[in-house]
Amino acid sequence: DTAVSQTPKYLVTQMGNDKSIKCEQNLGHDTMYWYKQDSKKFLKIMFSYNNKELIINETVPNRFSPKSPDKAHLNLHINSLELGDSAVYFCASSQGQRLTNEKLFFGSGTQLSVL
Amino acid sequence: GQQLNQSPQSMFIQEGEDVSMNCTSSSIFNTWLWYKQDPGEGPVLLIALYKAGELTSNGRLTAQFGITRKDSFLNISASIPSDVGIYFCAGQLAGSARQLTFGSGTQLTVLP
Repeated sequence: DTAVSQTPKYLVTQMGNDKSIKCEQNLGHDTMYWYKQDSKKFLKIMFSYNNKELIINETVPNRFSPKSPDKAHLNLHINSLELGDSAVYFCASSQGQRLTNEKLFFGSGTQLSVL
Repeated sequence: GQQLNQSPQSMFIQEGEDVSMNCTSSSIFNTWLWYKQDPGEGPVLLIALYKAGELTSNGRLTAQFGITRKDSFLNISASIPSDVGIYFCAGQLAGSARQLTFGSGTQLTVLP
């Protein structure tokens, strides 16, 4: 029944490893996002996809690669993890063809800890 | 990117008290929203505002879209323990159909 679900909830890994976070939404929304929340709780957008097409790619290292196999899924793959990547990553979705729909529905987050 | 100044950063209040928090910016926004984040969860939308001067309520919560379109306020009346969490303002810049800009959050603690 969860509208936006992401897995895993917690991810603990060593520096240099490659990891993926998966996200699925069952709301029928056209747009999906990845946000990063740092230790000070600041939320910053990373990527946005509309119907599998990349719309927003903020200044994010190219070690981060989003992949959208269909409009209900947006996964985040991270290569060569660094200590500074430790944060909570949120997937979100919104309705509408363009980025004018501001009502975001968030997943419950993935706590990434890089050791 | 554009910055939203949200204050206060944190609040400790007694149960039953009213709470006010606000967001300001030097830029004009078309839309203001208020989200709440419970511990271990993602933010959840509380109120959305679309017109300057608009005042909207959701239960004990009331939010206003500032006349200048550069600020917004959220009030919580008669606080209860489950109001604990982080409250975020977010805005959508005028002239841009792009992503939301989030404030830095207000951590609310309600003491019994």
